[in-house]
Amino acid sequence: KNQVEQSPQSLIILEGKNCTLQCNYTVSPFSNLRWYKQDTGRGPVSLTIMTFSENTKSNGRYTATLDADTKQSSLHITASQLSDSASYICVVSAKKYSGAGSYQLTFGKGTKLSVIP
Amino acid sequence: DVKVTQSSRYLVKRTGEKVFLECVQDMDHENMFWYRQDPGLGLRLIYFSYDVKMKEKGDIPEGYSVSREKKERFSLILESASTNQTSMYLCASSLPGIEVNTEAFFGQGTRLTVV
Repeated sequence: KNQVEQSPQSLIILEGKNCTLQCNYTVSPFSNLRWYKQDTGRGPVSLTIMTFSENTKSNGRYTATLDADTKQSSLHITASQLSDSASYICVVSAKKYSGAGSYQLTFGKGTKLSVIP
Repeated sequence: DVKVTQSSRYLVKRTGEKVFLECVQDMDHENMFWYRQDPGLGLRLIYFSYDVKMKEKGDIPEGYSVSREKKERFSLILESASTNQTSMYLCASSLPGIEVNTEAFFGQGTRLTVV
């Protein structure tokens, strides 16, 4: 069964500090991995999409890494801001062998990040 | 600016009522999805549609049905709402395949409470 595990479940950091969120997956056949940011009461918004061949991808202060061999990804946030307080969701896309819709998304449960002044 | 719009942000319904959640996208996307999100469980796929009038069950379709009569609109129907359907419902859309660099865009969510 395809699974995506995220850690930690929640994290509190001081404004200006860096942090790293982890994502481990057992999804195959792997297609791509995405990180989403979800503000409270809002829908998720994409931060990065990474394919099998990409090791690192940045989006401003967000940097995602992917190790396809160990099936691990991380999201590093640099110089955190109060507006970074949100849930961060790791999503892995896998090809489907049968059924309509050629791809399936498996969602992690998210890491809730709180940035405090 | 791409947009997925859900008809209500907050909804309160009584047990046994028939509930319609509407989702409209303006990106001409083929794929549309309905998820529910519960604390500790993450997002779970209820139904998705890959074309007009086409639908496929997701992981938790029981108690729900869907309708896609037009490409831009995907409706989630709770035939007889129950308290265990209290949740945040998220609609999403994408181009076919969810391939590399094909984004899935989410609506703002509908928080449904069934009393």
